Parts: sequence; C-alpha cells; structure tokens
Amino acid sequence: AQKVIQVWSTTSRQEGEKLTLDCSYKTSQVLYHLFWYKHLLSGEMVLLIRQMPSTIAIERSGRYSVVFQKSRKSISLVISTLQPDDSGKYFCALWELGTGYQNFYFGKGTSLTVIP
Amino acid sequence: EAAVTQSPRNKVAVTGGKVTLSCNQTNNHNNMYWYRQDTGHGLRLIHYSYGAGSTEKGDIPDGYKASRPSQENFSLILELATPSQTSVYFCASGGTANTEVFFGKGTRLTVV
Repeated sequence: AQKVIQVWSTTSRQEGEKLTLDCSYKTSQVLYHLFWYKHLLSGEMVLLIRQMPSTIAIERSGRYSVVFQKSRKSISLVISTLQPDDSGKYFCALWELGTGYQNFYFGKGTSLTVIP
Repeated sequence: EAAVTQSPRNKVAVTGGKVTLSCNQTNNHNNMYWYRQDTGHGLRLIHYSYGAGSTEKGDIPDGYKASRPSQENFSLILELATPSQTSVYFCASGGTANTEVFFGKGTRLTVV
C-alpha cells in the first residue's frame, strides 16, 4: 500500500505567484518524520523542509513553509513568491520507525516550471 | 560536510550485461538506501542496509542485488541488465534517527 500519497503531476506557474503542493501519508507508527525534497536539474536532492509531528512548531525555511495537519495526516508545501529557480521536481517523503525496521517512503513527485 | 558519492554518474550497458553502481558515504551513517526514480513513480526503494554486512529488500528488489562490505560503501548490482532497468538511481545515507537523509547526485543508467 502506498505510504505517501503525492499524485504525480506537472504544473506551471508565473513568477511571483504562490504555490501549494499537497501530500498525505499513512503510518501507524509513533515515531516518524516528514520531509519535502527538491530534485535539481544537476541531479542533487535537496532537503527543503523537515517536519517532526512530535513538535507543534511548523517548519519554515526561507520561502518554503508547510501546512501540517497531523490529524488528517497531511503535509502541504507552500512556496511563496515563485522564482524561475524554483523550477524542478518536488517530492514528499515519510520516514517511520517500526518494530525492527525503519524506512523512507517517497511520493510520486510534482514537476514545477516557473515562467518568468 | 556530509557527503554521498555515487559512481559512475552515467552508464550505458548492454542487455544481459552486469552492472555495478557504487555508493560511498563519509557521514558514518548506519543506514544506506538505493532508490530508482522514474517519471510518474517518484523514488522507489530497491534495497537498503542497516550497517556493514546487512542488506534488506525494499519495495522493488527483483533483478537487483546489494552489497554492504563496509560502513562507507553500498553497491547495487544488476547481474543481467534489462532495458526496463533504464532509470536514474539514487543512493542515500541516514543516521539512526534519520532526522536527515543525504542523497548522492544520482546515476543515470541506460540499458540498450
């Protein structure tokens, strides 16, 4: 069963707009973390945001923030004031610690093009 | 600075040939992962390891083997490469708490 539900999509926006990327997850574990990564054209996977459900703080990093709804198991990435450099692929990820295992699960990603 | 290095970065292989993708990390992380990324599928876990000598099957292990001879190195082996294994492969490492996972820059493999 899919652990991270991020439907593959491609989208384009104008520079300066705000964008929200949706992601939901499934876990029955107590200990888990959530991540948003960006896949650059260079091949690098860059960590944008890490959200720990055990904290009430909502993570922000520059123009990136999340809308985290723990009860709904949903974490959306918000990118404010889009810039052409924001173009790339964005992935939502879940890390969970189970009995005798721990693993990362990724959503299918969103490909974003920002039009100058 | 944490680093995960993959080699080669690009590889063209023939069908039926053997391919080895290498990954080295200097983070002293216990956990290492191999993923493949295909458009529309995101990153899918092939094999992972909790430490030297251990390998575990991920979600799509068929056609792949893994080897973790040391803390630093984790290899992905395609004994008999097939065109369906054409993809971009990512190696990653993470500490026990996995509060952050570091990725290599990817290997683009084309099987012809």
